[in-house]
Amino acid sequence: NAGVTQTPKFRVLKTGQSMTLLCAQDMNHEYMYWYRQDPGMGLRLIHYSVGEGTTAKGEVPDGYNVSRLKKQNFLLGLESAAPSQTSVYFCASSYEGVHTQYFGPGTRLTVL
Amino acid sequence: KQEVTQIPAALSVPEGENLVLNCSFTDSAIYNLQWFRQDPGKGLTSLLLIQSSQREQTSGRLNASLDKSSGRSTLYIAASQPGDSATYLCAASFTGTASKLTFGTGTRLQVTL
Repeated sequence: NAGVTQTPKFRVLKTGQSMTLLCAQDMNHEYMYWYRQDPGMGLRLIHYSVGEGTTAKGEVPDGYNVSRLKKQNFLLGLESAAPSQTSVYFCASSYEGVHTQYFGPGTRLTVL
Repeated sequence: KQEVTQIPAALSVPEGENLVLNCSFTDSAIYNLQWFRQDPGKGLTSLLLIQSSQREQTSGRLNASLDKSSGRSTLYIAASQPGDSATYLCAASFTGTASKLTFGTGTRLQVTL
């Protein structure tokens, strides 16, 4: 099992550009999450999904959109990137919401 | 607001020492608490999960405890090794929002030879 994988690993964008981050899991988990990690602020939840076709807002959802068209995939979109979105983005999944979360390796995004 | 705090932000200990990492949370209506390890440039690896009905969990040299009344959790690492050097994060989920984790900012541990 590959677990949770994220694509790409690194990306540099210019302000105003758009991009999509892909998260895939092969553990048949229902729940998937997107976090961002910034120095001194810990991990903050952006959006999450409790099953295929569902999405919900987390703590810091502004400027991001998500989609969960397939159970194994969770996409995070930035429509118009801003320097404040420079961060490391982590995807996670869990069997149910109260179970252990399994994390991907992260995507390091820089917005110039 | 539900908050999770970890103090100190960094800790250095000599190899072989037993150590305790601290985590505190502001809401006693905790559902569960998880401890994670993060190596530089890597993702998070789950170490232990304690349900609110439990007082502790053990895995190898690691022991995590949970005291809801005082709003505290500790991660005890026995006989520390240089390979234990990493950042340790605790995260709590609370009743009513049990599927969402609130993370602390972590304690960066260095175990020296």
